[in-house]
Amino acid sequence: DQQVKQNSPSLSVQEGRISILNCDYTNSMFDYFLWYKKYPAEGPTFLISISSIKDKNEDGRFTVFLNKSAKHLSLHIVPSQPGDSAVYFCAADYWGSARQLTFGSGTQLTVLP
Amino acid sequence: DTGVSQNPRHKITKRGQNVTFRCDPISEHNRLYWYRQTLGQGPEFLTYFQNEAQLEKSRLLSDRFSAERPKGSFSTLEIQRTEQGDSAMYLCASSSILGPGTEAFFGQGTRLTVV
Repeated sequence: DQQVKQNSPSLSVQEGRISILNCDYTNSMFDYFLWYKKYPAEGPTFLISISSIKDKNEDGRFTVFLNKSAKHLSLHIVPSQPGDSAVYFCAADYWGSARQLTFGSGTQLTVLP
Repeated sequence: DTGVSQNPRHKITKRGQNVTFRCDPISEHNRLYWYRQTLGQGPEFLTYFQNEAQLEKSRLLSDRFSAERPKGSFSTLEIQRTEQGDSAMYLCASSSILGPGTEAFFGQGTRLTVV
């Protein structure tokens, strides 16, 4: 069973516009959520995270929103740049899990110049 | 370079052979994780170490897989009698034991192809 789901395998946006990547989860124990970015032939790179006690976290062009009641989170990238083109993974864990991450299947973001 | 280092980057092996991968974590990190990623999927947890102790193993880790972390530094992941289904990217990550919110840092991975 997939506890973390990214239902959109791909997303294309124009440079300068907003990119919105979505993620849903089923395990109510998850209390920490992370987004990782992955370029081809490289390992995932940490991007931004959010604790379940918050509903928003911002870091430069990247903002993550968490809706606990809907078990949904989203990553907003504004403005999108061609260098943002990569696979984005949503991940989750919980206190007591020793920080082992449960990942979604990823969304390929393509930012068109 | 003070990131997580994995060797080799690529490994092609014949079915039935044994392979071993190495991971050097960030030096001050206590926790070390192994993940496996197949095409079109996100990384899946295999096992983790806190210092030299292997504290958890996923049910994905069959008895053909063994991992070690002697002296709590580098780690090795060995796959015995490889099968074609073992073909995947094997990722190593490390993190600090500080508490909630400490993100894991990943290496570049070892891509295994079993022919």
